[in-house]
Amino acid sequence: QKEVEQNSGPLSVPEGAIASLNCTYSDRGSQSFFWYRQYSGKSPELIMFIYSNGDKEDGRFTAQLNKASQYVSLLIRDSQPSDSATYLCAVWDMRFGAGTRLTVKP
Amino acid sequence: EAGVAQSPRYKIIEKRQSVAFWCNPISGHATLYWYQQILGQGPKLLIQFQNNGVVDDSQLPKDRFSAERLKGVDSTLKIQPAKLEDSAVYLCASIQWHRTGNTGELFFGEGSRLTVL
Repeated sequence: QKEVEQNSGPLSVPEGAIASLNCTYSDRGSQSFFWYRQYSGKSPELIMFIYSNGDKEDGRFTAQLNKASQYVSLLIRDSQPSDSATYLCAVWDMRFGAGTRLTVKP
Repeated sequence: EAGVAQSPRYKIIEKRQSVAFWCNPISGHATLYWYQQILGQGPKLLIQFQNNGVVDDSQLPKDRFSAERLKGVDSTLKIQPAKLEDSAVYLCASIQWHRTGNTGELFFGEGSRLTVL
């Protein structure tokens, strides 16, 4: 069974801090990785995707991929209360992890 | 552009009853997914269609769940008979493929919330 693992949290950070979300996967054949955000009572929406080892930045979000360690992370800089949500990691075949609930406190 | 449509939004049934959910993906999206999301958990992939063919249904409990996409457009997910543990949100998604064609972005419907009493 191919696994996508995330720390379920909850993760709490103060406003303006960096939030770090982590994900590991078991399928070494995975080539693409996704971070989705899900607000309470809403459906997931795509934040970022990453294919290549290293970092990919988009505004306040940075995705980091290490295929050798089978590890992908999402950093949120200057966290805002509006970032409070569950963050879901997904792999190439659209299987998701359990999600990490993030709370940003004003 | 219209998004992914799902109905009903809410359904309450008693255990052992049956229920059906409908999904109409974004126009032109050939690939369609059904997910089950239990409260506090991530979406669990139930079935993936490519046009009207099944690509992956390895996690679909086939003794009680069935899904079809007869004309390669809209899809129906059925549960019969329902159990208490089927209480969840059932999400339908279709995919916008990236230029590379290897993967893409999922667009989700609003979901159908099922409560089994």
